[in-house]
Amino acid sequence: GAGVSQSPRYKVAKRGQDVALRCDPISGHVSLFWYQQALGQGPEFLTYFQNEAQLDKSGLPSDRFFAERPEGSVSTLKIQRTQQEDSAVYLCASSPDSLGAEAFFGQGTRLTVV
Amino acid sequence: DQQVKQNSPSLSVQEGRISILNCDYTNSMFDYFLWYKKYPAEGPTFLISISSIKDKNEDGRFTVFLNKSAKHLSLHIVPSQPGDSAVYFCAARRSNDYKLSFGAGTTVTVRA
Repeated sequence: GAGVSQSPRYKVAKRGQDVALRCDPISGHVSLFWYQQALGQGPEFLTYFQNEAQLDKSGLPSDRFFAERPEGSVSTLKIQRTQQEDSAVYLCASSPDSLGAEAFFGQGTRLTVV
Repeated sequence: DQQVKQNSPSLSVQEGRISILNCDYTNSMFDYFLWYKKYPAEGPTFLISISSIKDKNEDGRFTVFLNKSAKHLSLHIVPSQPGDSAVYFCAARRSNDYKLSFGAGTTVTVRA
């Protein structure tokens, strides 16, 4: 496809379960971002990759959150031992340049922790 | 700490009239501003941007105005169309940074 693709679209996890969220960015895009959007709020920055290098993970809320992009294309956001406060929409975005000026967003993964 | 604020959670406007969406920011280091539009179950889509060296940028029916001294920007949609019904997010960053700070969004409903 031409756009950023995320899977799954919806995920329900029991508290304490590990989850993995996948992002397929636009082919050739250098920059990849993960954002977390809580209900009624705007997206909040989690982490940034330039190719395969994770240059910024300052927004990850705890050490239960881990992201990787091993070959500089597909990225996975992993959340270990999920908690109810992790319930949110997780958005992935990619950009052709290193500043991500006009990033293209995927449709997001809605995670509900019960 | 919300550095970008959209104080109106919703806006209802009649088709054909002007929609004005407002956004305030607190970080004086921000010098690049964007508006994103989001339909339900879709990701945000880039709409229009403005650099701090300008005070106005226009693209078709969409115009963004920037008032740096007031740390305020606004998005004007003229004329409003039913397809404009969506959530609009204001975002900001420093020109040498990649990290976007978003407002909470304004839901626009265009009435026929």
